[in-house]
Amino acid sequence: DQQVKQNSPSLSVQEGRISILNCDYTNSMFDYFLWYKKYPAEGPTFLISISSIKDKNEDGRFTVFLNKSAKHLSLHIVPSQPGDSAVYFCAASDIYNTDKLIFGTGTRLQVFP
Amino acid sequence: DVKVTQSSRYLVKRTGEKVFLECVQDMDHENMFWYRQDPGLGLRLIYFSYDVKMKEKGDIPEGYSVSREKKERFSLILESTSTNQTSMYLCASSFWTPKIWSSYNEQFFGPGTRLTVL
Repeated sequence: DQQVKQNSPSLSVQEGRISILNCDYTNSMFDYFLWYKKYPAEGPTFLISISSIKDKNEDGRFTVFLNKSAKHLSLHIVPSQPGDSAVYFCAASDIYNTDKLIFGTGTRLQVFP
Repeated sequence: DVKVTQSSRYLVKRTGEKVFLECVQDMDHENMFWYRQDPGLGLRLIYFSYDVKMKEKGDIPEGYSVSREKKERFSLILESTSTNQTSMYLCASSFWTPKIWSSYNEQFFGPGTRLTVL
């Protein structure tokens, strides 16, 4: 049972445009959500997070939006750059298990010139 | 600067061989994790440890065991490899956070070990 889902396995965006990566979840006990970025042959690195008490968090070109009623979050990258090409994982933790993260299946983003 | 290192970047083994993957972190983290990453399946937790000699099963522990004899070191053991264990193995570490804290807990990952079982 996949509690965190990323339904788009891949996304292709032109440089300078907006990239929108989506994530859906089923567990209403999730209280924190994180996005990780992974380049080939490297481990994932933390990108941005959001608490369930917020609906938006911004860090430079990256913004995460949370819609609790829809159990949906999205990562917006504006403007997209070729260096953003990577696999993006969303992850969630719940109030009973702060230390464990449940990861989604990942979305491969390709930013082309 | 957090550093998580893994003993091998690439390994090729034959079915039935024993594999020992080691992970070392230098940030005095209490928690350590082993994941495998497969296309279309994301990162799946195999085992994690929140203290020396402590371990808990993750979502897919079958065919794996772990050892944590020192705080900085967490080992993943495949006693008798099979072809379905061909995967990217990722180690991660994090601080322990009390449940009363409303916070997230960032995990720091190593570079991964690409294991191929023939």
